[in-house]
Amino acid sequence: EPEVTQTPSHQVTQMGQEVILRCVPISNHLYFYWYRQILGQKVEFLVSFYNNEISEKSEIFDDQFSVERPDGSNFTLKIRSTKLEDSAMYFCASTSGSEETQYFGPGTRLLVL
Amino acid sequence: GNSVTQMEGPVTLSEEAFLTINCTYTATGYPSLFWYVQYPGEGLQLLLKATKADDKGSNKGFEATYRKETTSFHLEKGSVQVSDSAVYFCALNLPLQGAQKLVFGQGTRLTINP
Repeated sequence: EPEVTQTPSHQVTQMGQEVILRCVPISNHLYFYWYRQILGQKVEFLVSFYNNEISEKSEIFDDQFSVERPDGSNFTLKIRSTKLEDSAMYFCASTSGSEETQYFGPGTRLLVL
Repeated sequence: GNSVTQMEGPVTLSEEAFLTINCTYTATGYPSLFWYVQYPGEGLQLLLKATKADDKGSNKGFEATYRKETTSFHLEKGSVQVSDSAVYFCALNLPLQGAQKLVFGQGTRLTINP
């Protein structure tokens, strides 16, 4: 069964460093998403992406964040200068467009020290 | 705004007990409603969904009915197993053209003891 994959599973970084979180969505899907979950809090929408551009972003998704689909398979989330409060689990998801169910990856746990 | 409220956890039950996890929502428009489950070390998996009022979603013995009058989507299972231990998330989605945006509840951690 096709699935969304994410790498790395865990990442530790120093405050101020750049991180890139990678996702491989399901191959025939057209819409891509990033969510995050700070420990003990809700899963929050960050951004949606379609046709090589951002469809919608939340207020969390400020200038420090960017997304890219550099090739036909990867979907990345970059945080330019990490802050302590960026420590969270980051989930990637994708949908086909013909149905609304979002399929999630296993997440990347980011720890900013 | 749109929001989802779930019953506070953690919830601990014995095997074969009856499970209810409450979920209520606030939404403009007519949302679709979902339950996602996260098993230890894994991602969010869709458990069940309902797209309109009075629909019942079901999967793996779990059920939830979309109740518009009470704005609820409570998750139930008649007899839980140890393997049901996980975190359960209620979520809503306002069906729009194109990209979707899920709004999640805070999650309820369920532990089933043998």
